[in-house]
Amino acid sequence: NAGVTQTPKFQVLKTGQSMTLQCAQDMNHNSMYWYRQDPGMGLRLIYYSASEGTTDKGEVPNGYNVSRLNKREFSLRLESAAPSQTSVYFCASSGHESKGSEAFFGQGTRLTVV
Amino acid sequence: AQSVTQLGSHVSVSEGALVLLRCNYSSSVPPYLFWYVQYPNQGLQLLLKYTSAATLVKGINGFEAEFKKSETSFHLTKPSAHMSDAAEYFCAVKNQAGTALIFGKGTTLSVSS
Repeated sequence: NAGVTQTPKFQVLKTGQSMTLQCAQDMNHNSMYWYRQDPGMGLRLIYYSASEGTTDKGEVPNGYNVSRLNKREFSLRLESAAPSQTSVYFCASSGHESKGSEAFFGQGTRLTVV
Repeated sequence: AQSVTQLGSHVSVSEGALVLLRCNYSSSVPPYLFWYVQYPNQGLQLLLKYTSAATLVKGINGFEAEFKKSETSFHLTKPSAHMSDAAEYFCAVKNQAGTALIFGKGTTLSVSS
């Protein structure tokens, strides 16, 4: 059972380049999320999708776009990467049948923008 | 708006000592609270969660947390630390709509022999 799978695991970009981070879950969850983790900042929500076809901004959406391709997949796109976007990115999913449902996380993508 | 504050960015204990990681929350509605653990270069793993069923919640690896409404706290404890407990720990609360988790800044636990 794979859970939440993120690709790639590592990436180095030059300033101004674009890229898409991929995420897929096999737990039939409705909700999916993208977080970024920076030292001393915890995890901050970039975007989330409560169901297929819907997306909403989180705490730090600037510079990012997302696509909920289908129920399984939720991608994060950086159109023009900046050094401030150097971070570790985590995708997560949860069933939102109840507010008490927890999120399941992928292994992360470590992105460096030079 | 919902938020969590983790007191102490770094906690150090000796092997066999009590582990206490502090978390205080702010919530305008009855909260749903979570503790996650992150080992180096890995994703986050759920330790335990509070969903109003019981105030003392037991989780994996011998951890437990007690919900105290009067103190707006959800502190994580373990009676006896093990070297393998060294990791970063995050407290989180569901947002008001129940659609996403809001995380604290994390506490790094070091365990010495």
